[in-house]
Amino acid sequence: EPEVTQTPSHQVTQMGQEVILRCVPISNHLYFYWYRQILGQKVEFLVSFYNNEISEKSEIFDDQFSVERPDGSNFTLKIRSTKLEDSAMYFCASSDRAAGYTFGSGTRLTVV
Amino acid sequence: AQTVTQSQPEMSVQEAETVTLSCTYDTSESDYYLFWYKQPPSRQMILVIRQEAYKQQNATENRFSVNFQKAAKSFSLKISDSQLGDAAMYFCAYRRWQISGTYKYIFGTGTRLKVLA
Repeated sequence: EPEVTQTPSHQVTQMGQEVILRCVPISNHLYFYWYRQILGQKVEFLVSFYNNEISEKSEIFDDQFSVERPDGSNFTLKIRSTKLEDSAMYFCASSDRAAGYTFGSGTRLTVV
Repeated sequence: AQTVTQSQPEMSVQEAETVTLSCTYDTSESDYYLFWYKQPPSRQMILVIRQEAYKQQNATENRFSVNFQKAAKSFSLKISDSQLGDAAMYFCAYRRWQISGTYKYIFGTGTRLKVLA
């Protein structure tokens, strides 16, 4: 069964550093998403991406965040200057128009 | 705005018994999808079951089934013959179509299921 692949599985970074979280969506999917889950809390929408541009973003997705599809396979989330409160599990997901999401296994980001 | 409510932070069930996890939601839309996701300690999000709102028949997947009450905006998950591997956090989710053509999921706060041997 096709999978969404996320790397790394766990990243530790110093506060103020930039991090890039990487995702390889399912190859024939056209819609891409990032979600965040702070430990012990619910999963929250960050951003959706279609046709090489952001379709919608949440209030959480401020100027510190950006997304990119640098080539035909990768989909990245960049956090420019990490804060302690950015520590969370970050999930990438992809979908075609009709189907539900397929989530990746997540990247655990720890900001110290 | 749509909301999803899971009123049971934690549930316990004896192995081989049946348990029902509750979920209610609020929406003014008539066509939508509802999902249950399982999140084990690895924190991966695993799709358990989904329900299309226009279908009256309740979805089933092996030991997992839902009781979808559209008028009451209720979407409960029943797990039959519970197994130790079912222990996890369970999230109910509502899928909302956005004008941009993409979908947005709205998650509940989750129910932690413990399975007792």
